[in-house]
Amino acid sequence: AQKITQTQPGMFVQEKEAVTLDCTYDTSDPSYGLFWYKQPSSGEMIFLIYQGSYDQQNATEGRYSLNFQKARKSANLVISASQLGDSAMYFCAMRVFGDTDKLIFGTGTRLQVFP
Amino acid sequence: EPEVTQTPSHQVTQMGQEVILRCVPISNHLYFYWYRQILGQKVEFLVSFYNNEISEKSEIFDDQFSVERPDGSNFTLKIRSTKLEDSAMYFCASSSTGGQWNSPLHFGNGTRLTVT
Repeated sequence: AQKITQTQPGMFVQEKEAVTLDCTYDTSDPSYGLFWYKQPSSGEMIFLIYQGSYDQQNATEGRYSLNFQKARKSANLVISASQLGDSAMYFCAMRVFGDTDKLIFGTGTRLQVFP
Repeated sequence: EPEVTQTPSHQVTQMGQEVILRCVPISNHLYFYWYRQILGQKVEFLVSFYNNEISEKSEIFDDQFSVERPDGSNFTLKIRSTKLEDSAMYFCASSSTGGQWNSPLHFGNGTRLTVT
């Protein structure tokens, strides 16, 4: 069975600092994608970044990067130069190739950025 | 940038009433999904839909739930007889590919359903 684990219910970071949000996953399928979504207090789900299981390089999108360690089954999100607007809930999610195409979510990490 | 739109943004209904939540997926997407999120909790998969039929549904998606794509643009979730525990944020999502691992789901802004 596939599973996503986010062990940090909450994180604090000072503005302009970097922060790492942890995510570990479990699947026996060799083909899968890992995604991070941001959910601000307004409630919408915003796609941030994607990493494929066969990708050799870590994904980057602006201030977001994904620290993908396949052997450890981890896909941590790194936010550099945090901004006040980064305060939100962050969800790690996985999509597995095969007979199911749904996205499986972790429980989320609430990030608060303070001045 | 194309987006998934959901209406209404907030729906209040009485227990036992039927509700229909509406979604317009991104126009060239073929795979559609409903998720729900009870306040402060995990985002839970309800159902996926492709080629005018359900491709997968969760245990939550029981007989009181149904989905429909009545025309070429809308995708609806119907709850036949709402219960208090159906109160949640309901998200519609769409994807350009399914059964693949390398494309994200694009989510709408959600409909907050409150059952009183």
